[in-house]
Amino acid sequence: GENVEQHPSTLSVQEGDSAVIKCTYSDSASNYFPWYKQELGKRPQLIIDIRSNVGEKKDQRIAVTLNKTAKHFSLHITETQPEDSAVYFCAARELTGGGNKLTFGTGTQLKVEL
Amino acid sequence: DVKVTQSSRYLVKRTGEKVFLECVQDMDHENMFWYRQDPGLGLRLIYFSYDVKMKEKGDIPEGYSVSREKKERFSLILESASTNQTSMYLCASSLIGSGVEQFFGPGTRLTVL
Repeated sequence: GENVEQHPSTLSVQEGDSAVIKCTYSDSASNYFPWYKQELGKRPQLIIDIRSNVGEKKDQRIAVTLNKTAKHFSLHITETQPEDSAVYFCAARELTGGGNKLTFGTGTQLKVEL
Repeated sequence: DVKVTQSSRYLVKRTGEKVFLECVQDMDHENMFWYRQDPGLGLRLIYFSYDVKMKEKGDIPEGYSVSREKKERFSLILESASTNQTSMYLCASSLIGSGVEQFFGPGTRLTVL
């Protein structure tokens, strides 16, 4: 099955700086890579995703890049703000007979300091 | 707005008890999922279901079973709870498709004493 590794496990940045979180996956057949944000005490929510036919996608201050050859993808947050503090999970969609199964990374605790 | 609800936010059970966790979604989603979340281990898939009465094992199914008798409801069952099943349990649902968003419930914090 799919295996997703995520680094770093914790990341501390100053407000206004950029943050980068990196993930690698093992199954070259995986074709969909979402990122979820989980604020303290709340449920995970999708913030951005990328499909395997695209190399980069941006949405305001967040962007995701995908390198299919190297099997890694990254989340970039620019001009970080205190409300960006949360746990971020990357995931990869694994092809299975039943459909939409995601394998998640172990999460990155991002702290944006004032 | 998609709504995924779980039957309890907090639950305390004793070792050996049978435990039922229920999840309900109101958006007619075909797929439903049960994850457990532990610090440093991320979200690990226990079971998922892509249709009524259909289920597929995830990465950590041992000690768990599931039931999906109606499309909107997906139950996770711990036949005989053990202390190592103390965790946060998250339910999610999604449409069928090659790349669609999973919508999560608020989670159930289960403690097994």
